[in-house]
Amino acid sequence: DVKVTQSSRYLVKRTGEKVFLECVQDMDHENMFWYRQDPGLGLRLIYFSYDVKMKEKGDIPEGYSVSREKKERFSLILESASTNQTSMYLCASSRQGAEAFFGQGTRLTVV
Amino acid sequence: SQQGEEDPQALSIQEGENATMNCSYKTSINNLQWYRQNSGRGLVHLILIRSNEREKHSGRLRVTLDTSKKSSSLLITASRAADTASYFCATDGGTYKYIFGTGTRLKVLA
Repeated sequence: DVKVTQSSRYLVKRTGEKVFLECVQDMDHENMFWYRQDPGLGLRLIYFSYDVKMKEKGDIPEGYSVSREKKERFSLILESASTNQTSMYLCASSRQGAEAFFGQGTRLTVV
Repeated sequence: SQQGEEDPQALSIQEGENATMNCSYKTSINNLQWYRQNSGRGLVHLILIRSNEREKHSGRLRVTLDTSKKSSSLLITASRAADTASYFCATDGGTYKYIFGTGTRLKVLA
């Protein structure tokens, strides 16, 4: 059974902290994605990676960075968390041109 | 932003009725996909339609694509209470970088 696993379902962090969200897939997919989901705004793409060490900015990359050192792992980093980064974060992976598989999401609260 | 839009934003129907939701997008595409999200969970893929296809079926789902109008529709026939969810379309903008719309919230009343 295909799987995308996000390290935490719920996370509470303080303003200014450095936050790491981890995502692992077991399907040998080339592409991996990080989205944030907010009410009324749908899913917005933060970053996309199409190969190890390769990344592309999405629509809202400000305040975020990513790391993909291994094919199966894609990390989202909040360099200095702020309250406006409180959101649901969704990781996904896919083969080129094929369906995406999603993790269960991480609900991050920044206080 | 390349984000597409689903229409309507919310839809409430009786069990057994058909539900139709629409998606408009902005750029050329290789494919368009529809996903379902149950409350507070990750998204689940429903169907993928390629840019050279006009219609596709999967069980009770029917998807159409009109690339000249940059629009797609998802029809769920004979809806059930279990179909209650949010539905999203996603396009690749020709680059395999999947961009999602704002979603349609469907409520099916028993």
